[in-house]
Amino acid sequence: GAGVSQSPSNKVTEKGKDVELRCDPISGHTALYWYRQRLGQGLEFLIYFQGNSAPDKSGLPSDRFSAERTGESVSTLTIQRTQQEDSAVYLCASSSRAGALYEQFFGPGTRLTVL
Amino acid sequence: QKEVEQDPGPLSVPEGAIVSLNCTYSNSAFQYFMWYRQYSRKGPELLMYTYSSGNKEDGRFTAQVDKSSKYISLFIRDSQPSDSATYLCAMRTGGTSYGKLTFGQGTILTVHP
Repeated sequence: GAGVSQSPSNKVTEKGKDVELRCDPISGHTALYWYRQRLGQGLEFLIYFQGNSAPDKSGLPSDRFSAERTGESVSTLTIQRTQQEDSAVYLCASSSRAGALYEQFFGPGTRLTVL
Repeated sequence: QKEVEQDPGPLSVPEGAIVSLNCTYSNSAFQYFMWYRQYSRKGPELLMYTYSSGNKEDGRFTAQVDKSSKYISLFIRDSQPSDSATYLCAMRTGGTSYGKLTFGQGTILTVHP
């Protein structure tokens, strides 16, 4: 079946503008994660949704960042009043109860450039 | 200090070499230890995982975890040019089976023919 998809694949915006990034998880996956990867760095956890539970927002770097998820499907990550330090690849992952690890499957990411 | 430290390299080896990649960590609550491989402009893919301490082997790849030293390793035998990628270690705590991953910085590996 299809993997995790993200759109857009690339986004260039001007400082101060708002951006919305979209993630379509694998069908049936109840958990969805957002990570940020700055150039030459590892992945930094942002937020995690699991079913109907309250999301774990502990990784959001500021109140300019927010995310929503509709049921167990699409999620959007919104960054308001973008800053140059927000430039990064934003990766989405989803997981299910299959297997012992509840493996996270990653999408290809959205490359955000803030000018 | 970061929770997970990984030497970013870059690492360049000839084809057929044995490659050793390592991470150290500070959080003793980590119980699941993973290695992801990331090709350029792609999302990471899970390569191997280990629960708690011990070794795990899968083909040319061996993962080792030493919880007493808070140190994990990935060995690649008979390295191939197709192994050229960024290798990321990742960890999470036990308890709930879902949960955020904490990643190392990633090591860039190039295997040249």
